[in-house]
Amino acid sequence: SQQGEEDPQALSIQEGENATMNCSYKTSINNLQWYRQNSGRGLVHLILIRSNEREKHSGRLRVTLDTSKKSSSLLITASRAADTASYFCATDDLSSGSARQLTFGSGTQLTVLP
Amino acid sequence: DAGVIQSPRHEVTEMGQEVTLRCKPISGHNSLFWYRQTMMRGLELLIYFNNNVPIDDSGMPEDRFSAKMPNASFSTLKIQPSEPRDSAVYFCASSPTGHGYTFGSGTRLTVV
Repeated sequence: SQQGEEDPQALSIQEGENATMNCSYKTSINNLQWYRQNSGRGLVHLILIRSNEREKHSGRLRVTLDTSKKSSSLLITASRAADTASYFCATDDLSSGSARQLTFGSGTQLTVLP
Repeated sequence: DAGVIQSPRHEVTEMGQEVTLRCKPISGHNSLFWYRQTMMRGLELLIYFNNNVPIDDSGMPEDRFSAKMPNASFSTLKIQPSEPRDSAVYFCASSPTGHGYTFGSGTRLTVV
């Protein structure tokens, strides 16, 4: 079953604008991860935020995590046409114990218009 | 490192035929995952190996699906017999425990 649910399902912005995608989940987690998938390609790991962290940065990416609300957001600043892709959140659930498999959401399709 | 290597990239087969998908994980990664992606169901975890041992195969849809990991550098996912509803992109991913996954480029399977 889908654990993380991304919002919005699709987002279209102009180059240079910021893009914000949200993810909600249902269980207690070890960590939450964001991935990008270009059309016809595999997923690429972007960033991992642990359950005891509230914010993390990597280049133009900023991720927040609110475990009380069971939600996370991914902010891409100064977007570029090359950022056009699907973005997925994935949770490493505490209930999985030693079986550290990720559960992926349904993704947000981001389109950055030049 | 060449990353996670999957083969073939594309596979077209007739219903009833056996299909074998292959994966070479990144050296040193002790976890390997097989996922299936479709428009309708998104990314679904099929099976997960840790140190070559299958840990959770609850996502394997039917007995027609089987997966093996005979050693740390190779895994296979087999479908026998294949059916049209098995058409999807199958991804292999590997990771060190508790870290992000590295995905392969996937195998696009079409069963006609």
